Amino acid sequence: EPEVTQTPSHQVTQMGQEVILHCVPISNHLYFYWYRQILGQKVEFLVSFYNNEISEKSEIFDDQFSVERPDGSNFTLKIRSTKLEDSAMYFCASSDPGIGFAEAFFGQGTRLTVV
Amino acid sequence: GESVGLHLPTLSVQEGDNSIINCAYSNSASDYFIWYKQESGKGPQFIIDIRSNMDKRQGQRVTVLLNKTVKHLSLQIAATQPGDSAVYFCAEPGITSYGKLTFGQGTILTVHP
Repeated sequence: EPEVTQTPSHQVTQMGQEVILHCVPISNHLYFYWYRQILGQKVEFLVSFYNNEISEKSEIFDDQFSVERPDGSNFTLKIRSTKLEDSAMYFCASSDPGIGFAEAFFGQGTRLTVV
Repeated sequence: GESVGLHLPTLSVQEGDNSIINCAYSNSASDYFIWYKQESGKGPQFIIDIRSNMDKRQGQRVTVLLNKTVKHLSLQIAATQPGDSAVYFCAEPGITSYGKLTFGQGTILTVHP
């Protein structure tokens, strides 16, 4: 069964450092998303991406965040200067508009720990 | 505004029992709802969805009920199994952007053998 793949599974970084989280969405999907989940809290939308541009972003997704689809398969989330409060699980998701935007398929997540 | 919330944060049941997980929403214009299951260490997994023109939808061992009058939906799991232990979220797409999901707080379901 096709799945969304995220790497690394766990990333530890020092405050102020840049991190890049990697995702390989399902191959025929056209919509890509990043969500985050702070420990014990609900999943929060960060950004959606379609046709090589951001289609929507939340208040959380400030200038420290950026997304990129560098090639035909990868979708990355970059945090330029990490803060302690960026520690969270980050989930990548993708969807096929033929099925419906909301039936997004999520990856296993990357646990980001900022120390 | 767009928001979903859950009544109970935890639910413990015995294997074989039926489970009911509740969710309230605030926006009367909401027209589509989704239930996700999140197992430990994994991302959310789509379970079932329902549109506002329906008040009930059934899947395999799961049923979602929608009461638009009181803005409430529930997920019923029949014959709950230990493998059903997970966090369950209701979610809804944004009104301005269908791809933006707003998740509720989540209910932790624990199934005891």
